[in-house]
Amino acid sequence: DTEVTQTPKHLVMGMTNKKSLKCEQHMGHRAMYWYKQKAKKPPELMFVYSYEKLSINESVPSRFSPECPNSSLLNLHLHALQPEDSALYLCASSQASGNTEAFFGQGTRLTVV
Amino acid sequence: AQTVTQSQPEMSVQEAETVTLSCTYDTSESDYYLFWYKQPPSRQMILVIRQEAYKQQNATENRFSVNFQKAAKSFSLKISDSQLGDAAMYFCAYTVGGDKLTFGTGTRLAVRP
Repeated sequence: DTEVTQTPKHLVMGMTNKKSLKCEQHMGHRAMYWYKQKAKKPPELMFVYSYEKLSINESVPSRFSPECPNSSLLNLHLHALQPEDSALYLCASSQASGNTEAFFGQGTRLTVV
Repeated sequence: AQTVTQSQPEMSVQEAETVTLSCTYDTSESDYYLFWYKQPPSRQMILVIRQEAYKQQNATENRFSVNFQKAAKSFSLKISDSQLGDAAMYFCAYTVGGDKLTFGTGTRLAVRP
């Protein structure tokens, strides 16, 4: 199994809603990542978890709250988002952090209305 | 700060022909890793090829090969015998071995039948 599975594939939410994005991998990877990708732009790193501990937060606003309940699962909790937060949110995992191949999921297309 | 530059926003190639995508990067590190990722309309980022900076030999993966010029900080991707399925956005990426992948702005490749 070389898949990173993200759910949901599409999400529309209001600015007062609370929602969560889910990411799952069963490759035994110990590093997991959240990226944000705006249209026609490259992905931008948001968070890195290494061995289930948050190791990097790229100064992301607190309305985005990551969680890593176990080594296979990564969540991104969303609250009070703004329309400019609409983007493709990509999850990735790698065997260890840094130099090994990162496997990406298909992303969640988020629209904030 | 490390930067990755892709100077070709769009490229086009005839099916079965060869095309080269350019990438340059700026770093003061001597040991790092370079990648080419493909992002088709399905949105999933797929690793095409990787190159370790300490290796002088250019990486090759089937129809995909790189021309890695460390002194010039250049990392181009050659696609031979182009196929319709190669049409996608291609991102060059860099990491120094930490957790952060730095992506270029991407090159959209069209394949003409």
